[in-house]
Amino acid sequence: KAGVTQTPRYLIKTRGQQVTLSCSPISGHRSVSWYQQTPGQGLQFLFEYFSETQRNKGNFPGRFSGRQFSNSRSEMNVSTLELGDSALYLCASSWDGGGGRGEQYFGPGTRLTVT
Amino acid sequence: LAKTTQPISMDSYEGQEVNITCSHNNIATNDYITWYQQFPSQGPRFIIQGYKTKVTNEVASLFIPADRKSSTLSLPRVSLSDTAVYYCLVGIYNQGGKLIFGQGTELSVKP
Repeated sequence: KAGVTQTPRYLIKTRGQQVTLSCSPISGHRSVSWYQQTPGQGLQFLFEYFSETQRNKGNFPGRFSGRQFSNSRSEMNVSTLELGDSALYLCASSWDGGGGRGEQYFGPGTRLTVT
Repeated sequence: LAKTTQPISMDSYEGQEVNITCSHNNIATNDYITWYQQFPSQGPRFIIQGYKTKVTNEVASLFIPADRKSSTLSLPRVSLSDTAVYYCLVGIYNQGGKLIFGQGTELSVKP
C-alpha cells in the first residue's frame, strides 16, 4: 500500500507570494490533517478535513487555508507569505477521524523556505 | 486538553532498554495515550497506543498505571537507529485528526 505522498518536497518562495501544497492520503483514508513544524514552535496542528469538510482547525491566521477533494486528496494554501512561514509542512491521513484512537500516517513533508 | 510533560532529552547506549515517561495529570476518561517517533526531516511515525495497563507490540511496550496520570514507553535493546524524537500524545478522542504534540523527548543512542 502506498504511503502518504506530498508534493513538492522542497519549495522556495518570496515574501508576499502565495503557495499551494498537495497531499495524497493512503488509499481508503478519508481524514487528512495538516501540521506545521518549526524549530521554535514544534509540531502544530493547522486543520483537518474529512469527506471534503473542514472538521477541525488550529490557531493559525486566515492566510492558511485548505481544501479536500472527492478523492480525499488535499491541498493547503498560504497567501501573503511571511518569513515566519518557513517550516516543514506535514500531512497525515487516517481511515477514520484518527485523533486519540486511531493512528495517523504522516507524509515526508514539504520544506517551505520563505526569503 | 490534557497537557503532557516529558523529559527534553535522554541518552542511552546500544543494547540497553530505554524507558521514557510522560506525565498527563489532566487526562480525560475517554482519552487514549499514543506515542510517535520522528526522525529529522521526516513525518512522525506511530509507535504504540494504549488506554490502561500494558500494551506490547513488535517494537515497544507501553505501561499505564491505574490512575492513568502517566505512561512509560519502553524500548527494548535500543540501537543507533532508534535515535529520534519521541512524542507522547493524549488524544482528542472524538475530534478527528487533531493531534496536540508536546516538545517531545530527544533520545540519543550511543555505540
